[in-house]
Amino acid sequence: EDKVVQSPLSLVVHEGDTVTLNCSYEVTNFRSLLWYKQEKKAPTFLFMLTSSGIEKKSGRLSSILDKKELFSILNITATQTGDSAVYLCAAGANNLFFGTGTRLTVIP
Amino acid sequence: GAVVSQHPSWVICKSGTSVKIECRSLDFQATTMFWYRQFPKQSLMLMATSNEGSKATYEQGVEKDKFLINHASLTLSTLTVTSAHPEDSSFYICSASPRGRGVNEKLFFGSGTQLSVL
Repeated sequence: EDKVVQSPLSLVVHEGDTVTLNCSYEVTNFRSLLWYKQEKKAPTFLFMLTSSGIEKKSGRLSSILDKKELFSILNITATQTGDSAVYLCAAGANNLFFGTGTRLTVIP
Repeated sequence: GAVVSQHPSWVICKSGTSVKIECRSLDFQATTMFWYRQFPKQSLMLMATSNEGSKATYEQGVEKDKFLINHASLTLSTLTVTSAHPEDSSFYICSASPRGRGVNEKLFFGSGTQLSVL
């Protein structure tokens, strides 16, 4: 059965902290792993990862994929209150399977 | 960035009625659109893949006669929940990928529709 598991389910940190969100996957057909940020309604795209070991960065966010261990992490440094959201991980090929997300709360 | 518009944002209807949800790609063409369902604090569950000009592909366990999908143009897909019942109450969200890109590459999501069936 295809599945994507994210941990932790929720996380509360203070502004300035660094967080690491985890995503493991088991999907029959894999082409890419994607990270999204869902604040209220529509998830917004963060990263797409297709190759192992290549870190993708965007500002304070970075992500890396390990295709051998079927794992990805999303790092957020110097967190801000605006980073508070649910972070979704999805993996697959033609169909994407989503994890349940990690709810991040950043306290001022 | 690319914009996907979903309408309505929320709808309340009586049991037994049908509800249509629209998903439009505003500034790009989308050969493929996806429909998801999300329960509170749960993951996005893919319901079906909508293909322009052909029949939708439904995921296992999703009733195609209950959730009618029409993808009549490269910018519009509709999901009709027929004879809605309270258990159909959920958050429905669509996504699309610009034509010419890989199916999964940079999916853009609509803002979702909260359906409440009384």
